[in-house]
Amino acid sequence: EMQLVESGGGLVQPGGSLRLSCAASGFTFSNYWMSWVRQAPGKGLEWVATIKQDGSEKYYVDSVKGRFSISRDNSKNSLYLQMNSLGAEDTAVYYCARDRTALNAFDIWGQGTMVTVSS
Amino acid sequence: EIVLTQSPATLSLSPGERATLSCRASQSVSSYLAWYQQKPGQAPRLLIYDASNRATGIPARFSGSGSGTDFTLTISSLEAEDFAVYYCQQRSNWPPITFGQGTRLEIK
Repeated sequence: EMQLVESGGGLVQPGGSLRLSCAASGFTFSNYWMSWVRQAPGKGLEWVATIKQDGSEKYYVDSVKGRFSISRDNSKNSLYLQMNSLGAEDTAVYYCARDRTALNAFDIWGQGTMVTVSS
Repeated sequence: EIVLTQSPATLSLSPGERATLSCRASQSVSSYLAWYQQKPGQAPRLLIYDASNRATGIPARFSGSGSGTDFTLTISSLEAEDFAVYYCQQRSNWPPITFGQGTRLEIK
């Protein structure tokens, strides 16, 4: 079964940092682009970042540029999101998603991990 | 940035009825549009990709149509499990990848 499992969420103070992880299984992780998508409480979906199979290309939504960094370790079948200078506006469920560029869609999603930025 | 506008915000229908959800793009996205279903407390699920192609395992009652700026998701005969929030998403001329604000499909 193809699966994505996120971890690393929690409560963090404004200005703090957090690193999210996503463990992939059931498919050849290194063959796929991967992305992070977030959803603030009661709100819609927002794309956050995308990384190419070999990590050579990375893309971010403007609101996180310079603060967030996406990375991957294909030897560990893992995706990461380093989040710095967090603000209340970053409070959300963060989903890891397999990015099927051939389909122009995200075809597998994790269950999400909650990040709460509050003092 | 391409803005996607979904309508209506809320759609109230009964099981067995036909649902028609709309997604309009601020500029052409060709056919690079996907639809997702999200139920409370769950991750989104891909329904349709490239405007009209059903994803693996998606029932035939779900269909997508459109190109350019106007797209439609149709559910031919609603079943109880179809009541959820639906999002459209585009990947034309990205980044950024953008989503619509969602349509809530509720039981009448």
